Amino acid sequence: LAKTTQPISMDSYEGQEVNITCSHNNIATNDYITWYQQFPSQGPRFIIQGYKTKVTNEVASLFIPADRKSSTLSLPRVSLSDTAVYYCLVGDRRNAGNNRKLIWGLGTSLAVNP
Amino acid sequence: GAGVSQSPSNKVTEKGKDVELRCDPISGHTALYWYRQSLGQGLEFLIYFQGNSAPDKSGLPSDRFSAERTGGSVSTLTIQRTQQEDSAVYLCASSLDGAERTQYFGPGTRLTVL
Repeated sequence: LAKTTQPISMDSYEGQEVNITCSHNNIATNDYITWYQQFPSQGPRFIIQGYKTKVTNEVASLFIPADRKSSTLSLPRVSLSDTAVYYCLVGDRRNAGNNRKLIWGLGTSLAVNP
Repeated sequence: GAGVSQSPSNKVTEKGKDVELRCDPISGHTALYWYRQSLGQGLEFLIYFQGNSAPDKSGLPSDRFSAERTGGSVSTLTIQRTQQEDSAVYLCASSLDGAERTQYFGPGTRLTVL
């Protein structure tokens, strides 16, 4: 199982771009990279998923270098409401059952200040 | 559409009592997961249901924990003879099987064992 490493915490200010990098040195060929966001007193919420290069949606961008040993979640122009814990997960997405094997670390606690 | 719902949102019980936690997954989702999240920690997998297959109970911490899923929809997690170390947020998630890997989480049930 691919283990991930990400910073425990980050601080930012409203309007700034935030980049959270996750290391996953032993990522396997069939593994995808998924990021979830969790607000206090809520369950995690899917943000973005990718396999290689760059993925962008209405919420964030995900940058994955060619060796796939790391990935960077980019949040453009953060607001106070982006204060949350962000989890980087790596796993085989070929079937839903593989989700149970995902290792949820401590995530990155992002604090957005006014 | 309706998301994953869980009840109760909060449960306070005395040590030694039994508790039941309920999860209503998204309609049509065949995969259902239970997780536990202790304060300031990542998610800990407990049990996984997929359609009519036998559940994967490999994450259950002890035989005091059990879960069932009736009719392939609603699930109940039961903790017997609760202990103080069972205090945590219990999260339920569901996902489609096959091509869909994203998990949709409920708001969780905060269990406090006194």
